[in-house]
Amino acid sequence: QSVLTQPPSVSGAPGQRVTISCTGSSSNIGAGYDVHWYQQLPGTAPKLLIYGNSNRPSGVPDRFSGSKSGTSASLAITGLQAEDEADYYCQSYDSSLSGSGVFGTGTKVTVL
Amino acid sequence: QITLKESGPTLVKPTQTLTLTCTFSGFSLSTSGVGVGWIRQPPGKALEWLALIYWNDDKRYSPSLKSRLTITKDTSKNQVVLTMTNMDPVDTATYYCAHAKVAGGLYWFDPWGQGTLVTVSS
Repeated sequence: QSVLTQPPSVSGAPGQRVTISCTGSSSNIGAGYDVHWYQQLPGTAPKLLIYGNSNRPSGVPDRFSGSKSGTSASLAITGLQAEDEADYYCQSYDSSLSGSGVFGTGTKVTVL
Repeated sequence: QITLKESGPTLVKPTQTLTLTCTFSGFSLSTSGVGVGWIRQPPGKALEWLALIYWNDDKRYSPSLKSRLTITKDTSKNQVVLTMTNMDPVDTATYYCAHAKVAGGLYWFDPWGQGTLVTVSS
């Protein structure tokens, strides 16, 4: 069972803004550990989307943004496009897991 | 350019040991701040963090699988090997390896290999 909880699905029309939450606890996000986000297009390997809570790697559109507050983090997609339809995962570190990492439960984004 | 590729058997029998190799290029696992991790994804399910090896040979394992996992590196061959003992049908998944950028003891994965599907069945 993952210690990072995400909504199973979110949806929006093209051009709209959607947000995905990643809820943790005092042993992971709430302890100040960074959150990273990955996008997994159908049938492909995950790709890094956001690192260090809010940093975009080169090549990632600025439509994607990340934030963190308290025991949660969020990924926002503005100007939703059909190509954004994918699964999204958050990742962090949990001090209660003997130094191992953890992924969120995953969120399916559907473009209506 | 960093690339990684997983290799190993596509089919294993229950109780057998799985050995997967991650062969990479574009970086050295002897460079400070670098690691290689293994992550798996059962069909239709979420990602699961398995193990990570750091440039200094420090290793971390998923607590729930620690007794079954071993991660090692061969710096001269640019390879990382993951072994998982006592395989079960629930271990059927796509297994990914990924380059880890380590900063302050924490890390993120970028890029990932293409993944290899391992099926556990008799």
